[in-house]
Amino acid sequence: GQQLNQSPQSMFIQEGEDVSMNCTSSSIFNTWLWYKQEPGEGPVLLIALYKAGELTSNGRLTAQFGITRKDSFLNISASIPSDVGIYFCAGRPSGTYKYIFGTGTRLKVLA
Amino acid sequence: DSGVTQTPKHLITATGQRVTLRCSPRSGDLSVYWYQQSLDQGLQFLIQYYNGEERAKGNILERFSAQQFPDLHSELNLSSLELGDSALYFCASSGTEGSYSGANVLTFGAGSRLTVL
Repeated sequence: GQQLNQSPQSMFIQEGEDVSMNCTSSSIFNTWLWYKQEPGEGPVLLIALYKAGELTSNGRLTAQFGITRKDSFLNISASIPSDVGIYFCAGRPSGTYKYIFGTGTRLKVLA
Repeated sequence: DSGVTQTPKHLITATGQRVTLRCSPRSGDLSVYWYQQSLDQGLQFLIQYYNGEERAKGNILERFSAQQFPDLHSELNLSSLELGDSALYFCASSGTEGSYSGANVLTFGAGSRLTVL
């Protein structure tokens, strides 16, 4: 099915390091969302972006809506063990009602 | 608790059978989305309803169907089940469709895990 290109697929990092992940699409999106999913649970919203160029923070997390409206990135600063999980981007293609999800970035933090 | 309720949490059934998954959206939300997540995979969009009407369709198989009732709860019906249908099925709800605001973000339920043997 249709999915966004999300990278990297997985990351193993040391506690305290910064993390960066991104999503790209061939279509223009009018909304970007970033979610975190932990084992056996549903995705939980981290950050929502609505305008090209928008930069939004939520604690140690920062996300940006790309100027071209075809990409977005998420940064996590000073990672901690509880950051472990799968991070998904989701975008709403312009002119549609549905949200398309990225393939996910699996993050493991080594203490 | 996200406010989106999905039942059952777990379901084990045999190939060829039919099951119904139920979702109650967050209070005040009019839109319901269904997603399928196979093992270690991403979230595949199946279908979306808004205030009882089908709004968008994804890669939903013909063996699957869904509806949203007047009280806004939704049901996903899966029939002639195959081994490959084993997955987590998530329901998400949102408040409105077109507004560029927090009302259109998706809030997910905890999912229904379907195992087909």
